[in-house]
Amino acid sequence: EAGVVQSPRYKIIEKKQPVAFWCNPISGHNTLYWYLQNLGQGPELLIRYENEEAVDDSQLPKDRFSAERLKGVDSTLKIQPAELGDSAVYLCASSTSTGETQYFGPGTRLLVL
Amino acid sequence: GEDVEQSLFLSVREGDSSVINCTYTDSSSTYLYWYKQEPGAGLQLLTYIFSNMDMKQDQRLTVLLNKKDKHLSLRIADTQTGDSAIYFCAERPPGTYKYIFGTGTRLKVLA
Repeated sequence: EAGVVQSPRYKIIEKKQPVAFWCNPISGHNTLYWYLQNLGQGPELLIRYENEEAVDDSQLPKDRFSAERLKGVDSTLKIQPAELGDSAVYLCASSTSTGETQYFGPGTRLLVL
Repeated sequence: GEDVEQSLFLSVREGDSSVINCTYTDSSSTYLYWYKQEPGAGLQLLTYIFSNMDMKQDQRLTVLLNKKDKHLSLRIADTQTGDSAIYFCAERPPGTYKYIFGTGTRLKVLA
């Protein structure tokens, strides 16, 4: 069974440019999470989806970050415009609706120059 | 406080046991987790324990939970060089899907 798929794996952009990350969760997992992992830190939740509904986006910086999960399967996280401080790893995870265990993708490593 | 605390580094010799410790924040957290992160990779779920358990064993891994002290530990028996990675503990407070992660413990296994 395929795990959580993310692309791209690496992205280098200049500041003020837009960037987008894509995630495809484990088949049958209707809960999807986006996390931010800064260097030397544990992941921090940005947003959680139940199917196509964003049920917790309290930690998402809405001035520049947006996310969507239009059909309740794959999801896109966007930053526009990117800032130097956005350089980090963006992790996607998925779980069943009970949320007992979350499974993580390999992450997208973003470097903003 | 709000932080899940872990020591930053642990170094052991191949074949020895490793014990990674974690202090979490909410004594009523329902689930507690251990994840492994290798360089350039995402987080791999190693094991987790429900709060009504004191211990869980899974092959070389043993998890101990002390709810009174809010202390969680992961013991890796017969540590191998492939176990070198960063280990994160995480708690899931009741009534939430949110995981709160520690800062990770970097385990280095010396041959």
